[in-house]
Amino acid sequence: GAVVSQHPSWVICKSGTSVKIECRSLDFQATTMFWYRQFPKQSLMLMATSNEGSKATYEQGVEKDKFLINHASLTLSTLTVTSAHPEDSSFYICSARASGGNSPLHFGNGTRLTVT
Amino acid sequence: QKEVEQNSGPLSVPEGAIASLNCTYSDRGSQSFFWYRQYSGKSPELIMFIYSNGDKEDGRFTAQLNKASQYVSLLIRDSQPSDSATYLCAVRDKAAGNKLTFGGGTRVLVKP
Repeated sequence: GAVVSQHPSWVICKSGTSVKIECRSLDFQATTMFWYRQFPKQSLMLMATSNEGSKATYEQGVEKDKFLINHASLTLSTLTVTSAHPEDSSFYICSARASGGNSPLHFGNGTRLTVT
Repeated sequence: QKEVEQNSGPLSVPEGAIASLNCTYSDRGSQSFFWYRQYSGKSPELIMFIYSNGDKEDGRFTAQLNKASQYVSLLIRDSQPSDSATYLCAVRDKAAGNKLTFGGGTRVLVKP
């Protein structure tokens, strides 16, 4: 159980374009999903907390207008990287937690974004 | 600033030996502790979680938590080459909205 699906697994785009990444919880409902970014040889950095039916909560230093998050249902959150630049190239990973107590986070397979 | 610290390694371990990984955290309010394994280019996968002081065993893995000293460790018994990966320690503070704070990870190399 607790499967999180992320799509696409990799994407290459040109500078200035936008890219949408989808995160789905397949066998549970997730009122909250988390978006992380990981640069090579670094740890995961939380970008934002996605809340179903309300605005996302962004971590300090993360531009909310650049990284648009939509959590329209209990099983789907999307992250759109707008006007992408080469420095946005990274590994983006979503995660979700089945509701209840201290349930651990389960991660999607990640999306490797390369901006040329 | 809540911090989770890990030795970056690499921790080189002979096949069949015990790998011991340590993690310290700064926030005394932390309540839940997780170990994830991450292979290169892949997303993290959960190995174990622990909430209470003491040891928790699951197969070849044992997590140890000492809240008074603010550290959590992971032991990997009978290490296999397939255990070679980066191990991430993560700490959750319920008061901070259940967000996970990750350590930088310890790279483990198991040599045949």
